Amino acid sequence: QLQLQESGPGLVKPSETLSLTCIVSGGPISSNNYYWGWIRQPPGKGLEWIGSIYYSGSTYYNPSLKSRVTISVDTSKNQFSLRLSSVTAADTAMYYCARLDYGGNSVFDYWGQGTLVTVSS
Amino acid sequence: DIQMTQSPSSLSASVRDRVTITCRASQNIGGFLNWYQQKPGKAPNLLIYAASNLQSGVPSRFSGSGSGTDFTLTISSLQPEDFATYYCQQSYSTPYTFGQGTKLEIK
Repeated sequence: QLQLQESGPGLVKPSETLSLTCIVSGGPISSNNYYWGWIRQPPGKGLEWIGSIYYSGSTYYNPSLKSRVTISVDTSKNQFSLRLSSVTAADTAMYYCARLDYGGNSVFDYWGQGTLVTVSS
Repeated sequence: DIQMTQSPSSLSASVRDRVTITCRASQNIGGFLNWYQQKPGKAPNLLIYAASNLQSGVPSRFSGSGSGTDFTLTISSLQPEDFATYYCQQSYSTPYTFGQGTKLEIK
């Protein structure tokens, strides 16, 4: 059974960089037809796709965040990471990592449990 | 960006009721529409993909339909575990976007 687990600091200061890692277990991250992505959800609000990465390193990002986002992959550790720079209180959210099945209809079929990141001084 | 609009935003219903949630896209997205269920404190869970295909392990009381700009999620007979928030998501083009959610509550 595929499992994803987010890790990283729960508190980040304004203007600093948020860094999270998603460890994938139960299957290789270097699989065809699967991208790996980040989605966030501010408290009490809806879902926002941040971006996704293929095991080769190919990425695509939400234009609304593109200038501040970097997603990277480490196939040797079976994990991928998110960096979001210059954070503000608006970046406070639950951050989920998820597998994106790109085979036909792009769906997020496996999700991590999420990690809450609060931006505050 | 493609805007996804769900209606209603909230809904009160009783066990064994039949419930329908609607999702409208701001442009034609064909059948590139997925539905997720989210319970409090949990990650979203995929229910329906490509508008009408039931994800493995999802009860058959859930069904989806639609194409183009208008889509529906139907729960044929509500069970206690179905009270949750439901989101649609378009996968026609990036950035992938979600509806604002429909919170299904117990009447």
